[in-house]
Amino acid sequence: DGGITQSPKYLFRKEGQNVTLSCEQNLNHDAMYWYRQDPGQGLRLIYYSQIVNDFQKGDIAEGYSVSREKKESFPLTVTSAQKNPTAFYLCASSGTGGVRNTIYFGEGSWLTVV
Amino acid sequence: AQSVTQLGSHVSVSEGALVLLRCNYSSSVPPYLFWYVQYPNQGLQLLLKYTSAATLVKGINGFEAEFKKSETSFHLTKPSAHMSDAAEYFCAVSVSGSQGNLIFGKGTKLSVKP
Repeated sequence: DGGITQSPKYLFRKEGQNVTLSCEQNLNHDAMYWYRQDPGQGLRLIYYSQIVNDFQKGDIAEGYSVSREKKESFPLTVTSAQKNPTAFYLCASSGTGGVRNTIYFGEGSWLTVV
Repeated sequence: AQSVTQLGSHVSVSEGALVLLRCNYSSSVPPYLFWYVQYPNQGLQLLLKYTSAATLVKGINGFEAEFKKSETSFHLTKPSAHMSDAAEYFCAVSVSGSQGNLIFGKGTKLSVKP
């Protein structure tokens, strides 16, 4: 089935560690996104990529890094510089055509700092 | 800059009653508007979207929304609530030139009482 797969669903990080969240899509979409969700805060854009080997910072990129080496993959690394990483992370993708396109979401990953 | 305001972080209705979730947007250019639904610990699913065609938009699960430019609103309605409608609902806006990025409201949690 076509869709967006995020893994792992639950991840625990120790203080000072970097962790990477995986996002894979088989929808043949050019654009991919990472959002962070905190209770009562809605979703905030971390990074997005419109094409392979290119990506741009969103509203809250500090403490995060991404890569886009393949069209279907857009991993997010939460670095030790991110001071409050505990949150629900959502990966999304959309096709070409700009703002009219629907953005489709994965099932999300919970990251908890222990 | 565009923004979205959802009035009411929590709305409670009885089963069979009208559902009304409010969304107001701010945008200096014609917006594209979306409603998404999120069930616990899951990603977001598109309910409906407005892309400058008909101002009354019908979506899945019996929901609809009306774009009112004069009121800068895009409220979500459903004539008769069902228990399965209990979830969190997000309004989002995108405008030309934003490369398809969505700006989300903070969400409204809908509870349905038997």
